Amino acid sequence: ETGVTQTPRHLVMGMTNKKSLKCEQHLGHNAMYWYKQSAKKPLELMFVYSLEERVENNSVPSRFSPECPNSSHLFLHLHTLQPEDSALYLCASSQPSLGQRPTEAFFGQGTRLTVV
Amino acid sequence: AQSVTQLDSHVSVSEGTPVLLRCNYSSSYSPSLFWYVQHPNKGLQLLLKYTSAATLVKGINGFEAEFKKSETSFHLTKPSAHMSDAAEYFCVVRGSSNTGKLIFGQGTTLQVKP
Repeated sequence: ETGVTQTPRHLVMGMTNKKSLKCEQHLGHNAMYWYKQSAKKPLELMFVYSLEERVENNSVPSRFSPECPNSSHLFLHLHTLQPEDSALYLCASSQPSLGQRPTEAFFGQGTRLTVV
Repeated sequence: AQSVTQLDSHVSVSEGTPVLLRCNYSSSYSPSLFWYVQHPNKGLQLLLKYTSAATLVKGINGFEAEFKKSETSFHLTKPSAHMSDAAEYFCVVRGSSNTGKLIFGQGTTLQVKP
């Protein structure tokens, strides 16, 4: 248990559906991240939120829409996805140390998404 | 720019024998380096981290890694493999921004044979 919780653990959705992934952390961290893990590919950073503000968006298609309503919660809204979007989506959080740059990130167990 | 290269996509060892997972990094400044492990259908767990203190870093489950600046390496080792060590291992470097972005290697699958 890392303190980062993702729901649902598994999701199957059609290409016309709209769904949301949820991430919650109770570690007091102020930075949160979405990563995509596809088979045979390195983890890809999708979005970074720091102090609830999006600070990085790595050329992710607009069919993925993140939302960070507060420092403990992060969502990834999904709509009109493609089969190639099927992957494990991982949420992580981290905390800067007294003015220093953040160190390690703590990851949730991921949401296994299948687009049919 | 920061990057890491994991030199082996698959490593197979027998239970009780040493483990060596190799990682080279590229960084324009003193890096922060990590090893994470991912068991099947699980998230990522931090094994150990190097943040410019001791060059030999001890982690959980008997793993350790040595930072070698001259070789730009951060190899992960364990003296004696256990069946439960079978997993995917990722070498990671922290990016240059202040957002804490992590840059992952492609991963090494460790197989442990009985």
